[in-house]
Amino acid sequence: RKEVEQDPGPFNVPEGATVAFNCTYSNSASQSFFWYRQDCRKEPKLLMSVYSSGNEDGRFTAQLNRASQYISLLIRDSKLSDSATYLCVVNRDDKIIFGKGTRLHILP
Amino acid sequence: NAGVTQTPKFRILKIGQSMTLQCAQDMNHNYMYWYRQDPGMGLKLIYYSVGAGITDKGEVPNGYNVSRSTTEDFPLRLELAAPSQTSVYFCASRPGPYNEQFFGPGTRLTVL
Repeated sequence: RKEVEQDPGPFNVPEGATVAFNCTYSNSASQSFFWYRQDCRKEPKLLMSVYSSGNEDGRFTAQLNRASQYISLLIRDSKLSDSATYLCVVNRDDKIIFGKGTRLHILP
Repeated sequence: NAGVTQTPKFRILKIGQSMTLQCAQDMNHNYMYWYRQDPGMGLKLIYYSVGAGITDKGEVPNGYNVSRSTTEDFPLRLELAAPSQTSVYFCASRPGPYNEQFFGPGTRLTVL
């Protein structure tokens, strides 16, 4: 079983819709969690950190569920510019583990 | 702050040639990383460093070498380039083990 797993998609979603991704992790000792966004042929960029209390940044909400060992990302009122690959990242000690990413296509 | 910078942006190598990919950061980060990303695939860790003078292998280190003589710089050396090393190479840094990473813009390498 991979340490970090994501549904690769693609998710094809109409503009204005709400979309949610989950990412599961296998090691309960994992310590910090992030969502990154990667556009085609570009470097990954931090979207947001993820906390157990949940955190929101505009149209984006991230949540950590330690009991079930998953993190989630919710995008509301999706825009064409949200089309990208979303990477789940988990830290454990010195190790940083990237998921393979979920591709999102926002359709006009 | 310039953040993480990488040079060159693009390079074409012939089989058997060598080159050094440069990476520098001006954020005084202790941790630095080299990844490669093949088309349509995820990031694979090549080497990483937790501080000046300390380096360690990632999951795909064969064919590469690194050094970390200063906090700022983390060059990646390719010896005897092979077509399998055609990829996009990203350098990243972070302050400590629980922080987010900051990525450079990448170097696109083609080996023919």
